[in-house]
Amino acid sequence: EPEVTQTPSHQVTQMGQEVILRCVPISNHLYFYWYRQILGQKVEFLVSFYNNEISEKSEIFDDQFSVERPDGSNFTLKIRSTKLEDSAMYFCASSPSAGVETQYFGPGTRLLVL
Amino acid sequence: GENVEQHPSTLSVQEGDSAVIKCTYSDSASNYFPWYKQELGKGPQLIIDIRSNVGEKKDQRIAVTLNKTAKHFSLHITETQPEDSAVYFCAASERTSYDKVIFGPGTSLSVIP
Repeated sequence: EPEVTQTPSHQVTQMGQEVILRCVPISNHLYFYWYRQILGQKVEFLVSFYNNEISEKSEIFDDQFSVERPDGSNFTLKIRSTKLEDSAMYFCASSPSAGVETQYFGPGTRLLVL
Repeated sequence: GENVEQHPSTLSVQEGDSAVIKCTYSDSASNYFPWYKQELGKGPQLIIDIRSNVGEKKDQRIAVTLNKTAKHFSLHITETQPEDSAVYFCAASERTSYDKVIFGPGTSLSVIP
């Protein structure tokens, strides 16, 4: 069964450094999402992406964050200057069509900012 | 915006018993309520969902109920098995968005053999 993959599974970085989290969505999917889950807290929506542009973003997704689909297979989340509070599990999801009913989640990248 | 609460935060049941997880939502305009199962080291996986025009839905050992008036919805797992042990999230669609899911805080279910 096709699945969403994410790399790396774990990343440790120093505060102020840039990080790029990578996702490979399911191949025929057109809609892409990032969510995050701070330890012990809710899974929170960050951003949705379609047709090479952001469809929607939450208030969490400020100017420090950006997303890109640099080629036909990868979908990336960049945090420009990491803060301690960016430490979380980041989930990528993809969907063949718009709507929450068909979102498939990846296994996540655990980011730790020191 | 939508806010989803979930209880209990942890739940332990004996294998074979039933487990019930309850959620409430705040926005009466929300119309889609998915449930996700998150196993250790994996992302949330959709296990069942219900729309606001339906009061109950069942899929083998899993059932969901929805009370729109009270803004409550519940997940029922019967004949629990050890492999049901996971974190379960209820969620509601954000009415102003077609893509955004608002998650509850999660319930950690342990099924004791």
